[in-house]
Amino acid sequence: NAGVTQTPKFRILKIGQSMTLQCTQDMNHNYMYWYRQDPGMGLKLIYYSVGAGITDKGEVPNGYNVSRSTTEDFPLRLELAAPSQTSVYFCASSPRTTGELFFGEGSRLTVL
Amino acid sequence: KNQVEQSPQSLIILEGKNCTLQCNYTVSPFSNLRWYKQDTGRGPVSLTIMTFSENTKSNGRYTATLDADTKQSSLHITASQLSDSASYICVVSAGGDSGTYKYIFGTGTRLKVLA
Repeated sequence: NAGVTQTPKFRILKIGQSMTLQCTQDMNHNYMYWYRQDPGMGLKLIYYSVGAGITDKGEVPNGYNVSRSTTEDFPLRLELAAPSQTSVYFCASSPRTTGELFFGEGSRLTVL
Repeated sequence: KNQVEQSPQSLIILEGKNCTLQCNYTVSPFSNLRWYKQDTGRGPVSLTIMTFSENTKSNGRYTATLDADTKQSSLHITASQLSDSASYICVVSAGGDSGTYKYIFGTGTRLKVLA
């Protein structure tokens, strides 16, 4: 099993550009999450999903959007990129609400 | 407010030595506590899970403890190896109908093992 796969691993954006971070998992997990990790800070929840067709905001959703059309895929959309969105983004999945989180390898995004 | 605090922020030890990382939490209602290891440039990977009734759990050279009364956990690493160099993140899960933030993350302890 591949687990959780994120693409791209690295990306540089100009201010105002948009892009989508892709996330797919092959473990048939209902729960999926997007986090951002900034230096010296704990992971912050951006958006999460408890199943296909259901998404909800986390702690820091502003400037982001998500969709969950299938169990496997949970893309994160950045609209009008800002320097404050420079971060490392992690997608994670879990088989249940407080179960073990399985993380992707991360996507490092720089907005200049 | 649900919080997880870890200490120390960073730690440098010599290969072969032992070390202990601390995690204090104020999370209610408590469901479980996990320690994750995050290698540089990689995603976190779970090392151990502690539930309310468990005091100690080992995974190879890693031993986690939980004191539910004082709301403290520790991760003890025995006979450290260079490959133990990583960040160690304490994550507490909130149970019940606790809303959005089921997982509360500590900021991690960055461990460096020197040869």
